[in-house]
Amino acid sequence: GENVEQHPSTLSVQEGDSAVIKCTYSDSASNYFPWYKQELGKGPQLIIDIRSNVGEKKDQRIAVTLNKTAKHFSLHITETQPEDSAVYFCAASKANQGGKLIFGQGTELSVKP
Amino acid sequence: ETGVTQSPTHLIKTRGQQVTLRCSSQSGHNTVSWYQQALGQGPQFIFQYYREEENGRGNFPPRFSGLQFPNYSSELNVNALELDDSALYLCASTSDGSYGYTFGSGTRLTVV
Repeated sequence: GENVEQHPSTLSVQEGDSAVIKCTYSDSASNYFPWYKQELGKGPQLIIDIRSNVGEKKDQRIAVTLNKTAKHFSLHITETQPEDSAVYFCAASKANQGGKLIFGQGTELSVKP
Repeated sequence: ETGVTQSPTHLIKTRGQQVTLRCSSQSGHNTVSWYQQALGQGPQFIFQYYREEENGRGNFPPRFSGLQFPNYSSELNVNALELDDSALYLCASTSDGSYGYTFGSGTRLTVV
């Protein structure tokens, strides 16, 4: 069935370092890949997304890359700050299913000052 | 512009009872999805409503049901509650032609 694998499950970095989270999806028909940040007691917040017709997208300190052939996509956060500490989820969906998101298991990012 | 609001924020129910969770979608959004998030896991898709019709369902039993109203708000109903139904229930909304979903803060359901 449809599946998204996310690694690592926990990630600890020093403030100012970069963080990379990787996901692999199983359904080659997936064409939309969002990343969500979830802070304690809150719902997931969309931070960046990419569609299958694009290989890379950047928004300030955050970037996402997509390799359709390998069915991999990654989140890159540069110059990390303590407020980046949260749980990050990747997800995949097929546009023709109107948005059913298949989520990864999450990565708990800790940025130490 | 208001975001997605869910009520109640927390709820404790007894096994076998029924529960109704409510969601007000973001202004201008006509599509609502519901997700179940167990502790330490990613959200799992329950079902989605578009213009008051269910148009997608995940691997959840029929005792999970929903409604969407003309103002695009939505309800999630769960009958015959089981201990494993304890989770954070998230509502998310979007509009025609948009891929991105806005999530609410969720309802934390505890079944005892």
